[in-house]
Amino acid sequence: AQSVSQHNHHVILSEAASLELGCNYSYGGTVNLFWYVQYPGQHLQLLLKYFSGDPLVKGIKGFEAEFIKSKFSFNLRKPSVQWSDTAEYFCAVSGAGSYIPTFGRGTSLIVHP
Amino acid sequence: DAGVIQSPRHEVTEMGQEVTLRCKPISGHNSLFWYRQTMMRGLELLIYFNNNVPIDDSGMPEDRFSAKMPNASFSTLKIQPSEPRDSAVYFCASSFPPAQPQHFGDGTRLSIL
Repeated sequence: AQSVSQHNHHVILSEAASLELGCNYSYGGTVNLFWYVQYPGQHLQLLLKYFSGDPLVKGIKGFEAEFIKSKFSFNLRKPSVQWSDTAEYFCAVSGAGSYIPTFGRGTSLIVHP
Repeated sequence: DAGVIQSPRHEVTEMGQEVTLRCKPISGHNSLFWYRQTMMRGLELLIYFNNNVPIDDSGMPEDRFSAKMPNASFSTLKIQPSEPRDSAVYFCASSFPPAQPQHFGDGTRLSIL
């Protein structure tokens, strides 16, 4: 069974700091990769996705993620965070042949103004 | 363009009562997912429907939980009898095709007293 690990459970940053959230998965085959964001009191929304092609993926709101196949990783980055980025971030992975994504436990990001 | 619609948004009831949560997926989406989110366990997949047929219900906690999808535009998740440990936020999500990113509803915040 595939699993997804998000190593940082809580991250606290000041505005303008750079962000990198880790995501590692255990699945040997072809994967589809996602990052979702959940703002306080709201539902999950898609930030970005990777299916194939360029391993550096650009998403909304200045976020990007890099797929490194050899490391089974799909880390999320943003060069300069804003207070409005305060949210919970979820990494999700689905394997070829199974459309059911596995979600990580999430990383809570707090950005201080 | 209407997103995934869930009702009710909030439900407070006493233990032992029957609870019914409702979901209307995005028109044209043929995959529907029910999730439960808690602080302790994170986001858990309860059941996945494809073309109105339950494909994977291995996440349904126990026989008190049941889910139906009588047609492409409606699904219910029922808990009978409810218990305090069922208190959580329940999300419905839909996608098309199944491998594509999921669109989440606003969730139902359920409190069992």
